[in-house]
Amino acid sequence: DTGVSQNPRHKITKRGQNVTFRCDPISEHNRLYWYRQTLGQGPEFLTYFQNEAQLEKSRLLSDRFSAERPKGSFSTLEIQRTEQGDSAMYLCASSLGRDAYEQYFGPGTRLTVT
Amino acid sequence: EDKVVQSPLSLVVHEGDTVTLNCSYEVTNFRSLLWYKQEKKAPTFLFMLTSSGIEKKSGRLSSILDKKELFSILNITATQTGDSAVYLCAAEYNTDKLIFGTGTRLQVFP
Repeated sequence: DTGVSQNPRHKITKRGQNVTFRCDPISEHNRLYWYRQTLGQGPEFLTYFQNEAQLEKSRLLSDRFSAERPKGSFSTLEIQRTEQGDSAMYLCASSLGRDAYEQYFGPGTRLTVT
Repeated sequence: EDKVVQSPLSLVVHEGDTVTLNCSYEVTNFRSLLWYKQEKKAPTFLFMLTSSGIEKKSGRLSSILDKKELFSILNITATQTGDSAVYLCAAEYNTDKLIFGTGTRLQVFP
């Protein structure tokens, strides 16, 4: 499968713990995006990278959230000191070009904070 | 504040019915309007609309954009149970930034 992959697919954690998610984009895609989707809502933009550079962060992204893309390939999203409000689906998308329609989404990581 | 509003939030129909999903937007530096279908996981791209009044069509699905009134519709004719999904509308602003609506959940029963 050469699509966008995300791991883990599901994560259950206790409040206060740290969690890290991984996204592997489609090979050669230089743009990588993170979104968060809560139940009954559409995805909300969190941050994006062009190669290894993080170009924009949403104000939704609190200080407890950090994302990296160290070699311009896979990316990680870390949430420190998780809160119940962090429970959501975290979606990753990648694209080769700059047009939004070219974003291919991964299957997501569903986080449940208990 | 930029926003995208979809209606209805939920729709239940029988196979063979025709449905119309609505999307209105207020976005600065608007570039395009996109429709996605989301089943249990990742949204999959359906249409991108940039020009008013030009219908995009793919099989039983079609969509059109009105940039004067700031809305788009997605039509599905002769619905099938496989059309059951959440349909998301997103407005692209600046370049490649997306703001999504809450989605319309469509359920098609045999």
